Amino acid sequence: GDSVTQMEGPVTLSEEAFLTINCTYTATGYPSLFWYVQYPGEGLQLLLKATKADDKGSNKGFEATYRKETTSFHLEKGSVQVSDSAVYFCALINSGGSNYKLTFGKGTLLTVNP
Amino acid sequence: GAGVSQTPSNKVTEKGKYVELRCDPISGHTALYWYRQSLGQGPEFLIYFQGTGAADDSGLPNDRFFAVRPEGSVSTLKIQRTERGDSAVYLCASSLGGAAWDSPLHFGNGTRLTVT
Repeated sequence: GDSVTQMEGPVTLSEEAFLTINCTYTATGYPSLFWYVQYPGEGLQLLLKATKADDKGSNKGFEATYRKETTSFHLEKGSVQVSDSAVYFCALINSGGSNYKLTFGKGTLLTVNP
Repeated sequence: GAGVSQTPSNKVTEKGKYVELRCDPISGHTALYWYRQSLGQGPEFLIYFQGTGAADDSGLPNDRFFAVRPEGSVSTLKIQRTERGDSAVYLCASSLGGAAWDSPLHFGNGTRLTVT
């Protein structure tokens, strides 16, 4: 079945540091890939997405590129801020299966210190 | 505008009791989803409604779990004879419908269920 593997957290960085959160996936067909973020006390919200190979999703300074050859969708940000502290979830939808069912990774807790 | 609202935010119940969890989706959203997030895990799909009907309930773990959406808006997740293993955060999401890569899901803050 489909699965998503994220790097284990927690990740602690200083403000303005470079961020990478690794994500790899296993899926049949051609999945669409997502990063969701959960800020403290809030619900999950979509951060960015990519629907086909070599697409780059970007939002709020975050980027992730859909790499089919390595089955990866790593999240990056050049300079993190304290306000980026949150839990980040990588997820996929398998276009060959149900087009509404998200499969999530376990999440990575990011803490950014001033 | 208002987001997805889930009530209660926290629920503590004794093993064997019945519980109901409520979800108010964003107005106009035809698709509604329930997910369950256990400690240290990502959310796992439970059930998907398109309108009033459950289009896919394949994620419900067993027949103690049931969900309804009688008027195509508010949904209730019902758990009978609760067990300690049911303790988790239950998330509701809604969307405009269609493929989820085109129509993003909007999640509520969840209901944290604790079964003692």
